[in-house]
Amino acid sequence: AQSVTQPDIHITVSEGASLELRCNYSYGATPYLFWYVQSPGQGLQLLLKYFSGDTLVQGIKGFEAEFKRSQSSFNLRKPSVHWSDAAEYFCAVSYSGAGSYQLTFGKGTKLSVIP
Amino acid sequence: DTAVSQTPKYLVTQMGNDKSIKCEQNLGHDTMYWYKQDSKKFLKIMFSYNNKELIINETVPNRFSPKSPDKAHLNLHINSLELGDSAVYFCASSLDSLNTEAFFGQGTRLTVV
Repeated sequence: AQSVTQPDIHITVSEGASLELRCNYSYGATPYLFWYVQSPGQGLQLLLKYFSGDTLVQGIKGFEAEFKRSQSSFNLRKPSVHWSDAAEYFCAVSYSGAGSYQLTFGKGTKLSVIP
Repeated sequence: DTAVSQTPKYLVTQMGNDKSIKCEQNLGHDTMYWYKQDSKKFLKIMFSYNNKELIINETVPNRFSPKSPDKAHLNLHINSLELGDSAVYFCASSLDSLNTEAFFGQGTRLTVV
């Protein structure tokens, strides 16, 4: 069965520091990969996605992610974190099931930012 | 002009009651979804409709019944509410069933007491 693992439940970084959130997936073929962000009390907003092509993808809010097939990973990075980045981050994989695609989410990584 | 809107945003109700959550999208998308986010923030798909037809029905108690009157609306009706139904329910939509970039609503926080 397809699965997504986010090994870090909670990460705390200082404002201005760099950030990397880890994501590993288990899937038989190259999946479609996504990162979503959920601010407190809000819905999910798409940060970036990978379907094919360049393995380094740029997203909104200064985030980027790199697809590494050999490691089955899709880690999210940001060079300099802002206090407003404090939120819950979800990695997701899309796969085909019953003639349609559906998203499978990781359990999320909560990011806290120290001023 | 919210893309995916859910009502209500908060819902507190007693065990045994029946309640509905409404969802509407104005993106012109063909596919809509319901996801459940539990107290540990884990998100799991419940249902998916494409052009008013059910295409994904995960293992969900039959007390949960989605209804799609048209492709812009996907409502979720829950009968005989239980404590374990307390969660945040998210509606989402995508262009079609093969396009997985999903746009999410703000969520409905359901609390069963």
